[in-house]
Amino acid sequence: NAGVMQNPRHLVRRRGQEARLRCSPMKGHSHVYWYRQLPEEGLKFMVYLQKENIIDESGMPKERFSAEFPKEGPSILRIQQVVRGDSAAYFCASSPNGVSYGYTFGSGTRLTVV
Amino acid sequence: AQSVTQLGSHVSVSEGALVLLRCNYSSSVPPYLFWYVQYPNQGLQLLLKYTSAATLVKGINGFEAEFKKSETSFHLTKPSAHMSDAAEYFCAVSDSGGGADGLTFGKGTHLIIQP
Repeated sequence: NAGVMQNPRHLVRRRGQEARLRCSPMKGHSHVYWYRQLPEEGLKFMVYLQKENIIDESGMPKERFSAEFPKEGPSILRIQQVVRGDSAAYFCASSPNGVSYGYTFGSGTRLTVV
Repeated sequence: AQSVTQLGSHVSVSEGALVLLRCNYSSSVPPYLFWYVQYPNQGLQLLLKYTSAATLVKGINGFEAEFKKSETSFHLTKPSAHMSDAAEYFCAVSDSGGGADGLTFGKGTHLIIQP
């Protein structure tokens, strides 16, 4: 029973490059959430998706960031033209049917921008 | 807007002693409340959750939390600390019936266990 799978675990990008973070939810989970964790900070909500739909992107920066959860395949968080301030741990979580069930988190992708 | 306050960024207790991690929330509607634990370089693991059933919630690893509406608190306790409890603990809140499904997290409390 695989949990939430995120890859890569670590990602290094130079300023200006693109970063693609992948998340495969738990089997049977159709709700996916992305969070960002900065050093010494709690997690900050970014976006909530269901299959092929963005439900809530109120926490996403307006520029350079996008997310998708296609009918087939993993959810992708894409950061274009990365800057040093994008360096953080990005966590994906999934749920079978909304927040009341609690989330299952992946192990995260640690993005370092050099 | 919702907010979560975790008092004490670091809490140190002796092995075998009581663990008490504090969490206060603000929410305009009855909330869902959660405690998560994070071990180094890992994701968050759900310890327990309150979703308007019993106010005393029992979780994994011997932890429990009590929802006190009058105090807007959801403190996490464990009667006897174990070395393996050393980790970062996060309290989180979500509106039970609101449109957004995201959680608002506190900044975390680092639990240190002294031998």
